Amino acid sequence: GEDVEQSLFLSVREGDSSVINCTYTDSSSTYLYWYKQEPGAGLQLLTYIFSNMDMKQDQRLTVLLNKKDKHLSLRIADTQTGDSAIYFCAESINTGGFKTIFGAGTRLFVKA
Amino acid sequence: DTAVSQTPKYLVTQMGNDKSIKCEQNLGHDTMYWYKQDSKKFLKIMFSYNNKELIINETVPNRFSPKSPDKAHLNLHINSLELGDSAVYFCASRSEGNSPLHFGNGTRLTVT
Repeated sequence: GEDVEQSLFLSVREGDSSVINCTYTDSSSTYLYWYKQEPGAGLQLLTYIFSNMDMKQDQRLTVLLNKKDKHLSLRIADTQTGDSAIYFCAESINTGGFKTIFGAGTRLFVKA
Repeated sequence: DTAVSQTPKYLVTQMGNDKSIKCEQNLGHDTMYWYKQDSKKFLKIMFSYNNKELIINETVPNRFSPKSPDKAHLNLHINSLELGDSAVYFCASRSEGNSPLHFGNGTRLTVT
């Protein structure tokens, strides 16, 4: 099936770490992505991970992939108020054409 | 300099009208998409074109007709607009296969 699930809301204090979790269903997904959407803007690619990797780190961002459980997480270290946005988990599948399926988005609220 | 640009940014129109949204990418990508984002921020794929050929059509009403005059452009024409068509429409492109999507800034369509 084609389904990506993530919790809708997360609230953290400035300076804390944020962890956003996601589960997906298609085991053939070769790429998994995290996108960020700020109010009134388009989706910005934050990072992505190949399915043969367990972890990817990029500055304050750490992505963990558990392929057995089809679980993906995004950790943001030292969360800032500017990180407040919607974060979308996504998987790319091939159904005769490549399409990217998005979760419903996690709204991250960062309290000063 | 904008990689994926779509026009107009805002579109307000009455039920029953016909309208078009235009999208252009200067990234040299072969594949372009239209996504619809509803009021709850859920993103759903509508269409995909690869080098001017339609490859994905996700059970979208035939009032929606995409057109790709060349691989750098993908336009969306909507006939007989309905209230439920109100949403933000995003154009996106990718270079190949599972590579990450690059999004435009969206067109907010409001049907009254």
